[in-house]
Amino acid sequence: NAGVMQNPRHLVRRRGQEARLRCSPMKGHSHVYWYRQLPEEGLKFMVYLQKENIIDESGMPKERFSAEFPKEGPSILRIQQVVRGDSAAYFCASSPRGPRDSPLHFGNGTRLTVT
Amino acid sequence: GNSVTQMEGPVTLSEEAFLTINCTYTATGYPSLFWYVQYPGEGLQLLLKATKADDKGSNKGFEATYRKETTSFHLEKGSVQVSDSAVYFCALSDDSNYQLIWGAGTKLIIKP
Repeated sequence: NAGVMQNPRHLVRRRGQEARLRCSPMKGHSHVYWYRQLPEEGLKFMVYLQKENIIDESGMPKERFSAEFPKEGPSILRIQQVVRGDSAAYFCASSPRGPRDSPLHFGNGTRLTVT
Repeated sequence: GNSVTQMEGPVTLSEEAFLTINCTYTATGYPSLFWYVQYPGEGLQLLLKATKADDKGSNKGFEATYRKETTSFHLEKGSVQVSDSAVYFCALSDDSNYQLIWGAGTKLIIKP
């Protein structure tokens, strides 16, 4: 059973471009979480999705950021008109149920660099 | 609101030394508590968990006991190895069952 797959592993964008990050959860997992990690800092929750539904997006900036988890295909985190401050590692995690009842399985992250 | 506080790193130890990484929390209700580990260049992995007071989680020689009276969940290991070098995150899940509240992480460096 493959783990959580994130791609690309590294992404370089110029200011103003769009960044699209993909996450394929583990088989059978319908809960997906996106986190951002800045250098030397902890994880910051961004958004929690279940299939086709956004459950909590309280950690995601209202502008330029969006997330989806369609019925078919991976979850996508989209950042429009990127700025240097968006440079970070973005981690996706999945679980079959909520984190209280089942551990989160993390991907290896996408490291976004905005030049 | 709920929060998790970890000791600041980096923590530098020699191989075979005893390890303690402190974690305290603030929460309403009865959270579950977790330690996750992040090796260089990788995502986080669950190390151990405890779901109620006085529970002890253990894995790979690491242990942590859920202490409600001191609101703590300190991570310990009797004899560390170079391969334990990583960043360790303490976390709690609140009653909503989907939010994990994370500590800032503690970087552990083990020297041979």
